[in-house]
Amino acid sequence: DVQLVESGGDLVQPGGSLRLSCAASGFTVSRDYMSWVRQAPGKGLEWVAFISFGTDTYYADSVKGRFTISRDHSKVYLQMNRLRGEDTAVYYCVRHLRLTAVIIDAFDLWGQGTVVTVSS
Amino acid sequence: EIVMTQSPATLSVSPGERVTLSCRASQSVSKNLAWYQQKPGQAPRLLIYGASTRATDIPARFSGSGSGTEFTLTISSLESEDFAVYYCQRYNNWPYTFGQGTKLEIK
Repeated sequence: DVQLVESGGDLVQPGGSLRLSCAASGFTVSRDYMSWVRQAPGKGLEWVAFISFGTDTYYADSVKGRFTISRDHSKVYLQMNRLRGEDTAVYYCVRHLRLTAVIIDAFDLWGQGTVVTVSS
Repeated sequence: EIVMTQSPATLSVSPGERVTLSCRASQSVSKNLAWYQQKPGQAPRLLIYGASTRATDIPARFSGSGSGTEFTLTISSLESEDFAVYYCQRYNNWPYTFGQGTKLEIK
């Protein structure tokens, strides 16, 4: 089965850190573009971070300088530092759509999400 | 940053009806637009990419159209499982942005 499984979500105090993991099965993350997308309680979707095949990474302004996306051959990670209340959300790991010869920056595979709560 | 605006916020419809959802971009995104469906407690599912191409295993009752700044998602005949929230997303450059969503509810 092709799937993504996130883990690492937790309750953390403001200013704290957390590392999310995303395990892929049925495909190799190092061959695909990957992103993290989050959804605050009762709210819409917000793209957070992107990683390409190599070392190219991009971040939403709301997390730039605080979050870092990385990966190895089978997992994608999101290191979250200096957490704030507004970072409270379900965090989804997503795969960018791969067609035969091109990658489309729409998200064709989503994990089930992991919950991050930032509160004292 | 390009802002995506969806309308209406909520739409009350009956099964079997045809429905059209709207998504507008504050600047042109060409055809770099996707649509997603999200049901309560579930992750979103990709429906449409490239403004009009259905993703794998998406039923033919879903269709997308538009380019530039105006886009629509049409469901030709609503089925019970289609009641959900629908999001558009533009991906022409970073940061990728989503619309705020349109909720389809049963009339």
